[in-house]
Amino acid sequence: DGGITQSPKYLFRKEGQNVTLSCEQNLNHDAMYWYRQDPGQGLRLIYYSQIVNDFQKGDIAEGYSVSREKKESFPLTVTSAQKNPTAFYLCASSIADGYEQYFGPGTRLTVT
Amino acid sequence: AQSVTQLDSQVPVFEEAPVELRCNYSSSVSVYLFWYVQYPNQGLQLLLKYLSGSTLVKGINGFEAEFNKSQTSFHLRKPSVHISDTAEYFCAVSDQTGANNLFFGTGTRLTVIP
Repeated sequence: DGGITQSPKYLFRKEGQNVTLSCEQNLNHDAMYWYRQDPGQGLRLIYYSQIVNDFQKGDIAEGYSVSREKKESFPLTVTSAQKNPTAFYLCASSIADGYEQYFGPGTRLTVT
Repeated sequence: AQSVTQLDSQVPVFEEAPVELRCNYSSSVSVYLFWYVQYPNQGLQLLLKYLSGSTLVKGINGFEAEFNKSQTSFHLRKPSVHISDTAEYFCAVSDQTGANNLFFGTGTRLTVIP
C-alpha cells in the first residue's frame, strides 16, 4: 500500500538533546512538508521541500533542521535551540504545488 | 497571503442531527479549498476538495461543502451525523499561483452526542 510513514509514534527526550523524526513516503510525490500541531491551534509549517536537495523554511523554522537527500525521505531534526519542542509533528507530501497533501500518522514528541 | 478562519472551535450535536462547520478564507488570488478530518492521535485525512467547476463538492463519509466566492466561504455540512464523526475538522486553502503551501484554520472539534 502506498502512503506516508512516520516513526516512532511516541518519542521522549531530555532537554538539551537533539532528536530526529523520520518521514518516508512511497507515493512518488515531489513535495514534502513538516508541520507542528499544538492544542487549540492549527497546523504550522516548519519546513517544506519541492525537490530533492532543496528545501525552504516555513513559518516556524527556528530550532529545526531538515534534509532531502532522497525523494522518499524528509527527516526533521529538533535541535536543542528549539525553545518549546513538545508537540505533535506531522509530515505530509503532495504530487505538486497547490494540490492536496497526504499526511502521515504523526509523531508525538515529549521533551522533559 | 492566504488565511483561514474557522468560526467555531467546538460544535456539539446530537446523533442523527444535521451539522454545519463554518470556514471563511481571505485571499487576493484564486484558491483551492480543502477540508481535512483528524481523529485522536492520528494524522489528517482528506474529506473533500474544491479545485474548480461545480461549487458543491461531495466528499467521503457523507460530507459535502459549498464554495461561495462572493462570501469567501467553504462551509462543511452533513445531513445526519454519527458517533463516529466525532473528530477535529480543519479547513485549508492554497492559492493557484504555484505556491505549494496549505494554510490551515485552527480547527473545529465536532462532538456527536448519543
